[in-house]
Amino acid sequence: EVQLVQSGAEVKKPGESLRISCKGSGYSFSSYWIGWVRQMPGKGLEWMGIIYPSDSQTTYSPSFQGQVTISADRSISTAYLQWYSLKASDTAMYFCARRVDVVATTGGRYEAFDIWGQGTMVTVAS
Amino acid sequence: DIQMTQSPFSLSASVGDRVTITCRASQSISNFLNWYQQKPGKAPKLLISGASTLQSGVPSRFSGSGSGTDFTLTITSLQPEDFATYYCQQSYSKPLYTFGQGTKLEIK
Repeated sequence: EVQLVQSGAEVKKPGESLRISCKGSGYSFSSYWIGWVRQMPGKGLEWMGIIYPSDSQTTYSPSFQGQVTISADRSISTAYLQWYSLKASDTAMYFCARRVDVVATTGGRYEAFDIWGQGTMVTVAS
Repeated sequence: DIQMTQSPFSLSASVGDRVTITCRASQSISNFLNWYQQKPGKAPKLLISGASTLQSGVPSRFSGSGSGTDFTLTITSLQPEDFATYYCQQSYSKPLYTFGQGTKLEIK
């Protein structure tokens, strides 16, 4: 079964560091880009950034550049999302997702996110 | 940056109804538009990519259309399991895959 399994919920204090993980299985992890998405409580989905595990090429949304670090260890099929100094406003659910190229009925190729992790809830409170 | 705007923000409908959700891009994105369904406490699920290509296993009552800046997701004959929040996402300005703000479909 193709799946992404994320690490468990975290409760942290402001200023603390944190790394959450996303482990892929059932497919060639290195061959697919992995994206990260934030969902603040009661809010919508926000695109954070993406990494290609094969060479760790990474792109961040401007809104998250400098705020988080995305990395990957292809040897253990795992991607990471890291904070060095958490803020209360980082409280959210975080999802990882696999990017695929879908061949449309019209013949075009389109990128989409077909497999998602179950989400990791991060709570930052003093 | 490409902005994605969905309407309505929320929608009430009954089982068996036909509903349409609209997504508008701030600039032309050709057919680079995906639709996702998210239920409370769950991860999003990919429904449609390339504006109109249904993912394997997604019921045929779901359909997508549009090109350029204006797109629609239509659900015919709503079923109880369809009540959820729906998001559009552009994949034109990769790798910055912007989402719309979501449309919550509720039971009337």
